[in-house]
Amino acid sequence: DAGVIQSPRHEVTEMGQEVTLRCKPISGHDYLFWYRQTMMRGLELLIYFNNNVPIDDSGMPEDRFSAKMPNASFSTLKIQPSEPRDSAVYFCASSPDRGIQNYGYTFGSGTRLTVV
Amino acid sequence: TQLLEQSPQFLSIQEGENLTVYCNSSSVFSSLQWYRQEPGEGPVLLVTVVTGGEVKKLKRLTFQFGDARKDSSLHITAAQPGDTGLYLCAGALYYGGSQGNLIFGKGTKLSVKP
Repeated sequence: DAGVIQSPRHEVTEMGQEVTLRCKPISGHDYLFWYRQTMMRGLELLIYFNNNVPIDDSGMPEDRFSAKMPNASFSTLKIQPSEPRDSAVYFCASSPDRGIQNYGYTFGSGTRLTVV
Repeated sequence: TQLLEQSPQFLSIQEGENLTVYCNSSSVFSSLQWYRQEPGEGPVLLVTVVTGGEVKKLKRLTFQFGDARKDSSLHITAAQPGDTGLYLCAGALYYGGSQGNLIFGKGTKLSVKP
């Protein structure tokens, strides 16, 4: 299995531009999570999906952030417009369950976003 | 406020030394996981503990879940340079019979020098 695949690995963009991050979860994993990691705040859950349906988006910072999962093999996280404070590493993770007691989460390699 | 406090934040030791890192909270967790993250990569699951007082061993790594399920520790025996990385604990809060989402601590950054 190729694992969780994220693209791009690095993204540098100017303030105000739209940014789209992409994720392909592991086949058969019903749960998909988007996290953001910074030195100050660590790993923060932004949103998670179960069977392509958004379940909890309370971690999404503001309306500039949106996430979709049009099918079981693809999800996007969009930031529009982007701001310098959005600079962070964004991780996608998937799991066959909520990952709490059994399988844990399988993380992708992340997208390092820099907004200048 | 960080629900899961990890200590120390940074640890630099020589190869062959033993070390313990801690994960503490005032909240009760239904389960707790430890992950290791290398630079430029995502966290990788090491272990899940679910029972208060539980001890799990993974080669030179020993994980313990506190009796009250509020804290955990990771002990590494005879550390090697390959153990270098960021160690993250993550817990699922216990809500009177149900479980919340996984919450991560900020991690302990371990450096093992040859």
